Amino acid sequence: GAVVSQHPSWVICKSGTSVKIECRSLDFQATTMFWYRQFPKQSLMLMATSNEGSKATYEQGVEKDKFLINHASLTLSTLTVTSAHPEDSSFYICSARDGGLAKNIQYFGAGTRLSVL
Amino acid sequence: LAKTTQPISMDSYEGQEVNITCSHNNIATNDYITWYQQFPSQGPRFIIQGYKTKVTNEVASLFIPADRKSSTLSLPRVSLSDTAVYYCLVGPMDTGRRALTFGSGTRLQVQP
Repeated sequence: GAVVSQHPSWVICKSGTSVKIECRSLDFQATTMFWYRQFPKQSLMLMATSNEGSKATYEQGVEKDKFLINHASLTLSTLTVTSAHPEDSSFYICSARDGGLAKNIQYFGAGTRLSVL
Repeated sequence: LAKTTQPISMDSYEGQEVNITCSHNNIATNDYITWYQQFPSQGPRFIIQGYKTKVTNEVASLFIPADRKSSTLSLPRVSLSDTAVYYCLVGPMDTGRRALTFGSGTRLQVQP
């Protein structure tokens, strides 16, 4: 299947700093990518939909000024957590759908564990 | 999107067959059923997808009855490495820009 690469896999930062997470589709083009957040023992929660060449669409309750999303190319979307605080510590996962396939299969990155001190 | 209901957890032993059933009573005509597997601290991994009857791949089988209001993921001869959370998702094919919505999933624990 298609491969989605996410980097970094783990990051620790100080409170008040910003962290950028990259999500790449390695062998296919993705006009749309998705960013999820997952707390321990909980399911994935959709944060936003990243659209190539246009603004991201955020889910209700997700601060767009805090979680900046950029989808500058068909293979790369980035999520920047600005002015991170301890409550932003979580597991962030991106995904992309291979538009070349007929079926609605989303492929996921390995996730990024963010710890804010 | 159709709401899904799965058991919260299941226990099994190595070598047994495990069947996880998902209910999706309000599935729409153009909805497909997709199952994902997630290990701790990893992104979900696609397992199998189907529309009706039976689908089989090298990992699992998916059984879907005629009314499509439920589906059963079958894992043959599980091993310890199959311990994971399994998610059942229902949604239309080729939704373009619509993300998949995850329910609570089923936490499978395989014991020796």
